[in-house]
Amino acid sequence: QKEVEQDPGPLSVPEGAIVSLNCTYSNSAFQYFMWYRQYSRKGPELLMYTYSSGNKEDGRFTAQVDKSSKYISLFIRDSQPSDSATYLCAMRARTNTGNQFYFGTGTSLTVIP
Amino acid sequence: EADIYQTPRYLVIGTGKKITLECSQTMGHDKMYWYQQDPGMELHLIHYSYGVNSTEKGDLSSESTVSRIRTEHFPLTLESARPSHTSQYLCASSTRDITDTQYFGPGTRLTVL
Repeated sequence: QKEVEQDPGPLSVPEGAIVSLNCTYSNSAFQYFMWYRQYSRKGPELLMYTYSSGNKEDGRFTAQVDKSSKYISLFIRDSQPSDSATYLCAMRARTNTGNQFYFGTGTSLTVIP
Repeated sequence: EADIYQTPRYLVIGTGKKITLECSQTMGHDKMYWYQQDPGMELHLIHYSYGVNSTEKGDLSSESTVSRIRTEHFPLTLESARPSHTSQYLCASSTRDITDTQYFGPGTRLTVL
């Protein structure tokens, strides 16, 4: 079983729609949760990170963490064509040898004008 | 904004050639990483470094080697490239704060013929 599960999509929505992207995980040691956006042929770009359960908002983006369900979400409001990209969730666990990161496979999103 | 650079961005090379992928960051980060990314797959950590003269192998077995002689520079070398090495290689560095957030370079897309 993978440490992090992410629906690969592809997801296609009309401009202005609310988008929900999700990841589930199995390791209760994960402490930090991150969302990255990756445009085609570019490196991942950090969008948001959260530490505790609850919501964190940044402009049109809201990151939500539910540690009891081991479930994280990224919501995009008023989606724009420029949001078309692959979105990667990532999680960090503290180990004896330091921090260890786990990434989802990414969800491909297309926002249609 | 993260300042992490990778060269070359694209490389097509024949089997058996020695190649070095360059990665530099100007943020003074102690920690640096190399990941391999294939379509539809999660990022796989192949090497990491926690500082000068410190290098470790990651989770994914790799025939590559790395060096860390200077804080800002973390090159990856393949002594003899093979078609199985064809992939996207991402370099990252992480902050010193408690989040240890990773910032990625633009990637090098390597094709071995």
